[in-house]
Parts: sequence; C-alpha cells; structure tokens
Amino acid sequence: DTEVTQTPKHLVMGMTNKKSLKCEQHMGHRAMYWYKQKAKKPPELMFVYSYEKLSINESVPSRFSPECPNSSLLNLHLHALQPEDSALYLCASSQEGTYGNGYTFGSGTRLTVV
Amino acid sequence: GENVEQHPSTLSVQEGDSAVIKCTYSDSASNYFPWYKQELGKGPQLIIDIRSNVGEKKDQRIAVTLNKTAKHFSLHITETQPEDSAVYFCAASKGYGNKLVFGAGTILRVKS
Repeated sequence: DTEVTQTPKHLVMGMTNKKSLKCEQHMGHRAMYWYKQKAKKPPELMFVYSYEKLSINESVPSRFSPECPNSSLLNLHLHALQPEDSALYLCASSQEGTYGNGYTFGSGTRLTVV
Repeated sequence: GENVEQHPSTLSVQEGDSAVIKCTYSDSASNYFPWYKQELGKGPQLIIDIRSNVGEKKDQRIAVTLNKTAKHFSLHITETQPEDSAVYFCAASKGYGNKLVFGAGTILRVKS
C-alpha cells in the first residue's frame, strides 16, 4: 500500500459546525503532515507530527486542531471556521531516513465554509 | 526560513518539444528537492526527486539537475505529451519531519 487516503473528499460546513478531516497511511511512515492549499497557490504547511507527537505548528489558528491517534492516522478537527478557510486540505507522510523518503500526498479534502 | 522561487509561471510547448522549469532556494541546509505534478482536483504527485549528494537524476523522459553552489535545481521533460499538461511544483526540505517549502508553481500546457 503506497497511498495516503483522505476522507471525506468534499465537505461543506457552516461557521458554527464542528467537523473532522481524516487521513490514513499504511506505509510505516512516522511523519505526517497537514497542508492547506488555496486555489492557484502552492500548498502551505500547517502541522507536522513525528512519532505521533506534534513537532511543528505553523502558527495555525486554534479553530484547527490536529490529532494523531496512532502512527497510521491523522485527524484535523475543525470548529468555528471562517469562509476564508475554504481550501483544499492535504495530508502527507514521509519515511525516516538520511534525507527522508518522498513526501506522499493524499488527494485532499476540498472544504467549503458557508 | 527557506524560500523557493520558481520560473516560469506558465509554459506552453508543442507536443514533442522539451520543457524546462527552474527553481532556486535560499537555505543551504536544504538537502532534498522533489518535483510534484498536480492535476485539477487532485493532490500533488511526486514525479522525481533529488538529494544534495547527487547532481543529476533521470527517469525516462524526466530529469532533474541540482547545482548546490548556485542553489539551483531544474526539471527537464523531453518529448512532451498532452498528458504532461498540469501544474508543476518544485520544493525544498531539510528532510524527514521538516517543512517542505514549495515554489509558486508552473502551469505547463502541451499543445497537440
């Protein structure tokens, strides 16, 4: 299995809703990442988990709350989002090594906040 | 922090021609340089990567070169095909567990 699986593929939520994005990989990668991508822009890092511990938080607002329940799963909990948070949310994973293996990306969750 | 610049922003080529996309990076500690292809509605797909201990790498029609001294790396696609049309991103990283910093992207259009 060489894939990163993200669910759901599409999500529409109101500003008062609470929702979660899910990411799963079974490649034995020990680092997992959340990226946000706006239209016609490159992905921007939000969070990094290494060995299930949060290692990097790129000053992301607290309405985004990451969670890594185990080495294969990564969640992103969403609460009280704003319309400007609408974007493609990408999960990625990478393998430990001298330079790290390629970062493998999922297909993303397209989030629309209304 | 790391900054990656990518040029050109758009590139149109005739089918069968070659395409070259160039990137520069700022942090000399970066040691991993992947290239991603992103099609509409999909996540970035790794197409080739190079590490700082190598100057060139080739995979069929795709090649990447790295000049550590100048902090440049480039993607070369030969014999382009319409299915090569997509957005291409370069990126730089210090490796495992570190931030992957992307260039702004290049829209490649291959005309048949």
